[in-house]
Amino acid sequence: AQTVTQSQPEMSVQEAETVTLSCTYDTSESDYYLFWYKQPPSRQMILVIRQEAYKQQNATENRFSVNFQKAAKSFSLKISDSQLGDAAMYFCAYRNYGQNFVFGPGTRLSVLP
Amino acid sequence: DAGVTQSPTHLIKTRGQQVTLRCSPKSGHDTVSWYQQALGQGPQFIFQYYEEEERQRGNFPDRFSGHQFPNYSSELNVNALLLGDSALYLCASSYRDRDYEQYFGPGTRLTVT
Repeated sequence: AQTVTQSQPEMSVQEAETVTLSCTYDTSESDYYLFWYKQPPSRQMILVIRQEAYKQQNATENRFSVNFQKAAKSFSLKISDSQLGDAAMYFCAYRNYGQNFVFGPGTRLSVLP
Repeated sequence: DAGVTQSPTHLIKTRGQQVTLRCSPKSGHDTVSWYQQALGQGPQFIFQYYEEEERQRGNFPDRFSGHQFPNYSSELNVNALLLGDSALYLCASSYRDRDYEQYFGPGTRLTVT
């Protein structure tokens, strides 16, 4: 079974600084999707960024970018120019084609003014 | 364009009771997935509905059942509630042929006493 691990239960970053959240996963598949979701106190899960495993180029969305290392099964999220609104729980998720999502345990990010 | 909506927002039930949670998908979406998120953990997949049938199921007992209506809305039913069923229940919708793009609702917080 696929598993997703996030080794950092909590992280903090100074406003305007950069922070990297770690994620590793275990799979025997070669084609799959990886995601980072943000869950603010409002509880609604919001998609931050998506990476397709067959694409070598790392995905970017404005201040958010990933470092996808397929061989190492690593998928980290970098948040640049951190803002107070970035404070939330961040979940890494894996999805194989035609299968359901598998989420990691989450990392709580605090942004310090 | 309304996003995914869920009702009720909060619910308190007693052990042994039954509960029904409701979800309306984002406009145009035909697939609904349900997740259970225990406090401090990542969401866990319960099941997915498409064309009014359960298509995939996670590792949850038969006490958890669901339904999808012709208008694509969905219900999650839990029978014989246990204290351990206390959690945030999230609904996510998607297009069937793009079900890697899931949009989440705000969730229903269920407390079992």
